Amino acid sequence: GAVVSQHPSRVICKSGTSVKIECRSLDFQATTMFWYRQFPKQSLMLMATSNEGSKATYEQGVEKDKFLINHASLTLSTLTVTSAHPEDSSFYICSAQLGGTQYFGPGTRLTVL
Amino acid sequence: GIQVEQSPPDLILQEGANSTLRCNFSDSVNNLQWFHQNPWGQLINLFYIPSGTKQNGRLSATTVATERYSLLYISSSQTTDSGVYFCAGRRGAGGTSYGKLTFGQGTILTVHP
Repeated sequence: GAVVSQHPSRVICKSGTSVKIECRSLDFQATTMFWYRQFPKQSLMLMATSNEGSKATYEQGVEKDKFLINHASLTLSTLTVTSAHPEDSSFYICSAQLGGTQYFGPGTRLTVL
Repeated sequence: GIQVEQSPPDLILQEGANSTLRCNFSDSVNNLQWFHQNPWGQLINLFYIPSGTKQNGRLSATTVATERYSLLYISSSQTTDSGVYFCAGRRGAGGTSYGKLTFGQGTILTVHP
């Protein structure tokens, strides 16, 4: 139980395009989901907290107009990287809350050319 | 927010050896998790352990909440144990366990055959 999926697992796009990443809790409902970013050989940094039916809460320094988050249902949150640039290339990981535990998706590796 | 410090940053072992990883917190936490990030980036939940001791096969963890640290023990290490081990803590508010999880910088474990 407590499985979280992400799609796509890997995406390569041209600079200036937008990319949508989906995060799904497969066998439980999650009122709260989280989006993280991880650069090579570094730890996970929280970008935003996604709450079903309400606006996401962004961490300091994260541009909410660039990283659009939608949590339209109890099993799906999406992160859209708008007008992506090479510096947005990173590993994006989502997690979903179940009780006191966070369960993580397998991550999405974004490369912006 | 809280600061999370992990040690050692790197650890190289011969297969069959035992090891102890440590996680210190700058403030009290009521939610603490240990994860293993495999070479493909997937974060695997090892323990949810805000206090006390738990064991799962060759792995065990102990959290001393009053002294703000947690230990992860790996016994009889195997090459498949290689990867990055993260601890993460959270301070819930008002008895709830919600709130953002703060990650340590990780311990990179390499187990040689």
